[in-house]
Amino acid sequence: TQLLEQSPQFLSIQEGENLTVYCNSSSVFSSLQWYRQEPGEGPVLLVTVVTGGEVKKLKRLTFQFGDARKDSSLHITAAQPGDTGLYLCAGAIWKNRDDKIIFGKGTRLHILP
Amino acid sequence: DAGVIQSPRHEVTEMGQEVTLRCKPISGHNSLFWYRQTMMRGLELLIYFNNNVPIDDSGMPEDRFSAKMPNASFSTLKIQPSEPRDSAVYFCASSLRQGSYNEQFFGPGTRLTVL
Repeated sequence: TQLLEQSPQFLSIQEGENLTVYCNSSSVFSSLQWYRQEPGEGPVLLVTVVTGGEVKKLKRLTFQFGDARKDSSLHITAAQPGDTGLYLCAGAIWKNRDDKIIFGKGTRLHILP
Repeated sequence: DAGVIQSPRHEVTEMGQEVTLRCKPISGHNSLFWYRQTMMRGLELLIYFNNNVPIDDSGMPEDRFSAKMPNASFSTLKIQPSEPRDSAVYFCASSLRQGSYNEQFFGPGTRLTVL
């Protein structure tokens, strides 16, 4: 069974602080995506990382794909209340000539003003 | 542009009743996905279609669940009979084509409550 574990499950921090959330698995992924979901809405794609060791930046968000393509991290600098939401990672595993997408359960982030 | 459209947004029904959830994907997208989200299990893929053909339904919980895609612009997920443990938010998503590099666009979800 391929599992994507995200940590922490919940995180509540003050505005302006930095934070890192993690996505880990024993499986190797062909790519990994991060989504953010706000209450009452569906997830929205933030980034896709493909190459081991790849780093992508999206304003104050920095995404890293592990060298072995089994894990990823999301670092937020100077968190703002607008960053509040559920952050989901989704890994793609090549299986039966097709990619199977597996989602983690997410990290629920709350930024206090 | 209209995104993925789902209906209804909320559904409350009694155990044993049939429930039909509807989805209109983004025009031009070839892949459609049905997910279920709960606090306990997170976001689970139920089934996905490529070019209206079901490709992987291994996530469908049991025979009470069925999904159809009669054409490129419409899909349904049916639960018959429904049970309280089916209560969850059901999402439909579409993408240009199935694959790890393709962004999935999610609808707003249908919140299902089975009493």
